[in-house]
Amino acid sequence: AQTVTQSQPEMSVQEAETVTLSCTYDTSESNYYLFWYKQPPSRQMILVIRQEAYKQQNATENRFSVNFQKAAKSFSLKISDSQLGDTAMYFCAPLSGGAQKLVFGQGTRLTINP
Amino acid sequence: NAGVTQTPKFQVLKTGQSMTLQCAQDMNHEYMSWYRQDPGMGLRLIHYSVGAGITDQGEVPNGYNVSRSTTEDFPLRLLSAAPSQTSVYFCASSLGGQGGTEQYFGPGTRLTVT
Repeated sequence: AQTVTQSQPEMSVQEAETVTLSCTYDTSESNYYLFWYKQPPSRQMILVIRQEAYKQQNATENRFSVNFQKAAKSFSLKISDSQLGDTAMYFCAPLSGGAQKLVFGQGTRLTINP
Repeated sequence: NAGVTQTPKFQVLKTGQSMTLQCAQDMNHEYMSWYRQDPGMGLRLIHYSVGAGITDQGEVPNGYNVSRSTTEDFPLRLLSAAPSQTSVYFCASSLGGQGGTEQYFGPGTRLTVT
């Protein structure tokens, strides 16, 4: 079974700063994918970024990028030029390609201060 | 497209009562799933379906039933509600297959069992 560890329960940074959220996972799958989801106070789950495990290149989506270290089973999320709207819970979630089952970490509560 | 819709948004039940949480998607997605989110935790998979007529158990299936008679709908039934089922419930859907596609989430149902 997959397990996910997000070691930072809470983080707080000033607007425009860069912040990195950490995630480690354990899986025996060879074909899998990794996601970061954001959950703002509205509680809606929103996809932030997706990484295919067989790709060495780190995924990037505008201000969001990942540092994917496959051997270390590490998948951190970097948010550059943070904005007030980035305030949310962030969840790391691996997904096995065959089963389509997401396994979520416990989340990191990120607060962006003005 | 409405995406993934869930009804009701809020529900209060007494211990022992039964009810059905509704979930529908209009994206012709094969894969649908139900998650629960308890305070301070990530989402945990209850049941999932890879297509009409096919369902399977996730991580925490006890106390819940599902069926999938159409591609669009995936209701979750609580047979005899217990206080331990107090949680926020999310339905999600995706294209499925081997490609690790994004899962789209509904807005959630907050359920309180007294």
